[in-house]
Amino acid sequence: EDQVTQSPEALRLQEGESSSLNCSYTVSGLRGLFWYRQDPGKGPEFLFTLYSAGEEKEKERLKATLTKKESFLHITAPKPEDSATYLCAGSSGYSTLTFGKGTMLLVSP
Amino acid sequence: NAGVTQTPKFRILKIGQSMTLQCTQDMNHNYMYWYRQDPGMGLKLIYYSVGAGITDKGEVPNGYNVSRSTTEDFPLRLELAAPSQTSVYFCATASGGNTGELFFGEGSRLTVL
Repeated sequence: EDQVTQSPEALRLQEGESSSLNCSYTVSGLRGLFWYRQDPGKGPEFLFTLYSAGEEKEKERLKATLTKKESFLHITAPKPEDSATYLCAGSSGYSTLTFGKGTMLLVSP
Repeated sequence: NAGVTQTPKFRILKIGQSMTLQCTQDMNHNYMYWYRQDPGMGLKLIYYSVGAGITDKGEVPNGYNVSRSTTEDFPLRLELAAPSQTSVYFCATASGGNTGELFFGEGSRLTVL
């Protein structure tokens, strides 16, 4: 059974305090590892796709990396507007994603 | 472009009632999905479709039905609603089967009492 596990469940940071979110996965025939951002009361919004170990993607203060067993979402000098729930997902085909439970990030000014 | 539109946004049902959650998209995407999201849980795939006339079960299909008669529409039918179906339902689309880049609607919050 495909499984995606995210840690921590919640993370509170001060503005400017860098940190990382973890996503470990067991997805047979993994065809991609994906990161999404979800704001309260909204649908998830796509951030990154990673296809192979060693790959990195960046967007503003966010950088996603991938190893053979896990992915990290690094947040550098976060701002309050980065507060959201970050979801990790793996796919084994047809873009059907297995999601983790998410990490709720709160950045205080 | 509206993207992915879901209706209704909120609905309260009584146990045993039936209803249809509507999802329509103007992105001309072939792939469409229904997920449910429960507090503290990850999104769970209910059904998906790779094109008009083709649907398949996801991880948690029991108690639901879908149809896909057009590219644009992918309604989710709940028969004999149960309290366990209280959840937030998200419809999503993708341009292809290997992108993993899903475009989500804003969700439909359903409560079954």
